[in-house]
Amino acid sequence: AIQMTQSPSSLSASVGDRVTITCRASQGIRNDLGWYQVKPGKAPKLLIYAASTLQSGVPSRFSGSGSGTEFTLTISSLQPEDFATYYCLQDFKYPLAFGQGTKVDIK
Amino acid sequence: QVQLVQSGAEVKKPGASVTVSCKTSGYTFTTSDINWVRQATGQGLEWMGWMNPDSGDTGYAQNFQGRVTMTRNTSIGTAYMELSSLTSDDTAVYYCARAYMTSSFSAVDFWGQGTLVTVSS
Repeated sequence: AIQMTQSPSSLSASVGDRVTITCRASQGIRNDLGWYQVKPGKAPKLLIYAASTLQSGVPSRFSGSGSGTEFTLTISSLQPEDFATYYCLQDFKYPLAFGQGTKVDIK
Repeated sequence: QVQLVQSGAEVKKPGASVTVSCKTSGYTFTTSDINWVRQATGQGLEWMGWMNPDSGDTGYAQNFQGRVTMTRNTSIGTAYMELSSLTSDDTAVYYCARAYMTSSFSAVDFWGQGTLVTVSS
């Protein structure tokens, strides 16, 4: 099974900061990777699919890049509503696998 | 618009089983797999398995093999997830999610609102 390694597990940042989160796959997954935002009491929200395609309605400060085994989620200018936990998910093949998550909190 | 609406919260005793339903609308039910994911308090997202609503084919994560069963009723566009032999470790919010796939990309895009399952004696 494919394993996803996500880093960092947490980070502290200020409003306006640029934030970068990384996921590494244990084998190549083309660009079959999504990024999700999770807030307490809410269902996961898809931000990016196919590694770099912005889901409809998601602000353009979110972007994704990468292919194969290395992927990155970038928030260009962190906003107050962006403090949350972020997960990557490989949907290249079953069994699907999530990264361990990155909690972004206020510095 | 695509919607997945799950059944309400459940409280179960250890050793019991629970069934969570996921009613879909806004798309053709049989054209996209349904996946199930859970999140225990303070823990990460854990993928449980998938079901093809057209064929009924399923695949389960190793952690749940022998304890989970995913089924569907195509006439009402609803998927079900049954988890048996519950322990306190199964206390979590359970989500269904649609896996949309085309020839050029895939995305687990729409999610249910979540169902809290509490296992307590």
